[in-house]
Amino acid sequence: QVQLVQSGTEVKKPGASVKVSCKTSGYTFTDYYMHWVRQAPGQGLEWMGWINTNSGATHTAQKFQGRVTMTRDTSLNTAYMELSRLKSDDTAVYYCARDQHMITSGGVVGFDFWGRGTLVTVSS
Amino acid sequence: SYELTQPPSASVSPGQTARITCSGDQLGDKHVCWYQQQPGLSPVLVIYYDNKRPSGIPERFSASNSGNTATLTINGTQAADEGDYYCQAWDSSIAVFGGGTKLTVL
Repeated sequence: QVQLVQSGTEVKKPGASVKVSCKTSGYTFTDYYMHWVRQAPGQGLEWMGWINTNSGATHTAQKFQGRVTMTRDTSLNTAYMELSRLKSDDTAVYYCARDQHMITSGGVVGFDFWGRGTLVTVSS
Repeated sequence: SYELTQPPSASVSPGQTARITCSGDQLGDKHVCWYQQQPGLSPVLVIYYDNKRPSGIPERFSASNSGNTATLTINGTQAADEGDYYCQAWDSSIAVFGGGTKLTVL
């Protein structure tokens, strides 16, 4: 069965960076895009970007450009999202979510499998 | 930037039909997904491509999308359907979520 297992809770100071991992199993990792979505406490969902797990190409929401780095390690079937220059309003649960479409089908559709989320707290 | 608007809350009696709307400019020209999120849990995809149900999603979930409005319909609503519902669409390769609707079954 498809599983996305994320790394644990992080507490960071403003200005620091955080790197969240998303280890996958149950499917061919390089066949599907991986997205990152975050949710601030009591707020809605916010898409951050995707990574083509086959080529490594990324596409990032403008809001996060220059601060987000998405990478993957195909030998570990793991995707990573690093967010730099953290601010207090970056406090949120960060989810990885697999795209429903295979990369070879072209385009992105929606998010059919989600990790359990990683809480990142930014506080001085 | 593109925006999707949802009512913040909706309520329904058990066994009745719940409808949640999502509005956006020319939304009918885009494909819409819907997600259910229950407290403390990750979102779950309940509708994709406007009206398709992933395997494992009950038939009581259906949806439509036309003009500027997409609608999620839950027939015979159950207590287990209570939660937050988010619509999502793509605009210029950017995923956009609605603000979410809290569905209360009472």
